Parts: sequence; structure tokens; C-alpha cells
Amino acid sequence: QVHLVESGGGVVQPGTSLRLSCAASGVTFSTSVIHWVRQAPGKRMEWVAVISTDGNGKYYADSVKGRLTISRDNSENTLYLQISSLGDEDTAMYYCARERAVTDAFDGWGQGTLVTVCS
Amino acid sequence: EIVMTQSPATLSVFPGERATLSCRASQSVSSKLAWYQHKPGQAPRLLIYGASTRASGIPARFSGSGSGTEFTLTISSLQSEDFAVYFCQQYNNRYTFGQGTKLEIK
Repeated sequence: QVHLVESGGGVVQPGTSLRLSCAASGVTFSTSVIHWVRQAPGKRMEWVAVISTDGNGKYYADSVKGRLTISRDNSENTLYLQISSLGDEDTAMYYCARERAVTDAFDGWGQGTLVTVCS
Repeated sequence: EIVMTQSPATLSVFPGERATLSCRASQSVSSKLAWYQHKPGQAPRLLIYGASTRASGIPARFSGSGSGTEFTLTISSLQSEDFAVYFCQQYNNRYTFGQGTKLEIK
């Protein structure tokens, strides 16, 4: 049973940066492809980034490309998401999610961490 | 981008009755369609993948059908714990999600 716990959210000022974390347990983290998905208030889920098992493959949604950086530390079973130049559009609940197989559904999610961009 | 549209936005059903939720894709996603259950403050839970395969531990009252652009999630006899938001996701071309259907007690 995969268990994911996000952290690092909070109230931040526009233009600043933030790093979110996702700690994994109950699963072989190093063999898991992990995604970040976010949900702005009242909006649908939006996929934002994915990272391969070894961390060398990284893909981003066009809407966030250049401002978000996904990374992982397999020795610490932790996934990260660095968000720079935060704007109102980044206000959302951020979830990490594990892909059950190559190009497949997400069989484990965290409860999310809330990022609020507010001046 | 493939746009996923769910209907209805809200569905009111009596416990014990059947609920039918729909998800439509703006272009074919083959059978690369998943359904999730999401309760406030909890992690989303995978119910169905491959349009019709129940995920591990999911009760048999949940079933999925469809392919191409039209998909359905059916909950055969609603239990109290089933009242939640349900959303679909396509993973045929990147990943996009439906806006969700809120299933509420009538």
C-alpha cells in the first residue's frame, strides 16, 4: 500500500519561490514514477509534472514549464517540486501521485499540501 | 489538449440505489481512462483503470464501462461511504481530468 505525504505549502508572496516535498513509504520508491498534480479552488485537477524512476526524465505541463522543477532523492524516498516566480495562478492544493505502470493511472495519492499566493 | 467533461455536476441519490456517472473525452482516449473517488481532506482513491478494471480492494459494486470518447462509472447500490466527488482522468495523451461529479445523499 503506497503512502504519500506532502509538505511545504503555506501562504507566500507573489514573485517568491517555494519547495514542496512528498515523502513516500509502503512502496519501493526508487522504482515508482511519481507525478505532481494540482487543484486550484473550484477548478479541476491539473497535471503539472512527472519524473522517471532515476530522476533523469522530467516532463512538465506547458502552463508551468520554466517555473517548476521536479526532482527526487531515492535515498530519502522523497520527491520535490520547486516553484519559482509564484503568481496567483499557482494558488492550489498540490498532490503527489504514483503511477501504477508505464503511462497508466495513479494508484496512490497524498492528501495534498495547500499553497496560497497572497500579497 | 484532451478535454474531459463529466455529467452531471451533482447527482442526488438515495442510499441503496444505483448511481450512473458519465465522462466524455473531446477525442478518443482508447481505454486509457481512470475513475477516482475524492473525499474532503483525503487523498484521491483510484477506483477503475483501463476504463473497466477495478483497482485493488475496490468493491464489486463499482464498475466502469466505455471506450473511445464515452465512459460510465456505475455504483450499483450506494453505501453511505460512497457519497463523495468522483472524477475521471485520461492518460492516453498526457494527463487531463474531468471537473468532477459530486454524489450526494438524497
